[in-house]
Amino acid sequence: ILNVEQSPQSLHVQEGDSTNFTCSFPSSNFYALHWYRWETAKSPEALFVMTLNGDEKKKGRISATLNTKEGYSYLYIKGSQPEDSATYLCAFGQAGTALIFGKGTTLSVSS
Amino acid sequence: KAGVTQTPRYLIKTRGQQVTLSCSPISGHRSVSWYQQTPGQGLQFLFEYFSETQRNKGNFPGRFSGRQFSNSRSEMNVSTLELGDSALYLCASSRGGHQPQHFGDGTRLSIL
Repeated sequence: ILNVEQSPQSLHVQEGDSTNFTCSFPSSNFYALHWYRWETAKSPEALFVMTLNGDEKKKGRISATLNTKEGYSYLYIKGSQPEDSATYLCAFGQAGTALIFGKGTTLSVSS
Repeated sequence: KAGVTQTPRYLIKTRGQQVTLSCSPISGHRSVSWYQQTPGQGLQFLFEYFSETQRNKGNFPGRFSGRQFSNSRSEMNVSTLELGDSALYLCASSRGGHQPQHFGDGTRLSIL
């Protein structure tokens, strides 16, 4: 059974802090790695889809890196703001198979 | 551009009943996936449909079934409901492959 692990499970930071989370996934038969943001009372929103080893994606203050050989991806948030408070999900995909989601990292940002 | 629409938003059923949930994907999206989310668990994959064919199926009992119509709209059916089926059911659509998934607001199902 394939497993996707996310750490930490939750964290609390102050406004302006930078933070990062980890997503670990199987390193075999890699096809794609997705990141989603899920805010309370909303639906999950896609942040990034990464397919190549060494990929780096950026969207505003949020960026992500990918290492398919060792099976991990990092999500970075620079200068966290209260509106960044959400659960961040990663999902791993192999060719022709469904995405496998991790349980997420819940970020809380205090002003 | 309209997003993914799920109906109903909330549903209360009793054990033993059956339920049908509906999902209308974004126009042009042919892939529809269904997920179950329960407290403490991540999104658990139920099934994926692409052009009316079930392409992948998760590890759920046969009480959970689905289908997709020619207009890409999808339904999910759960028969003989159990208390453990209480969950948020999310539908997501995409263009297929590993394109980003676009999620609906979900149907929250409560079993009494």
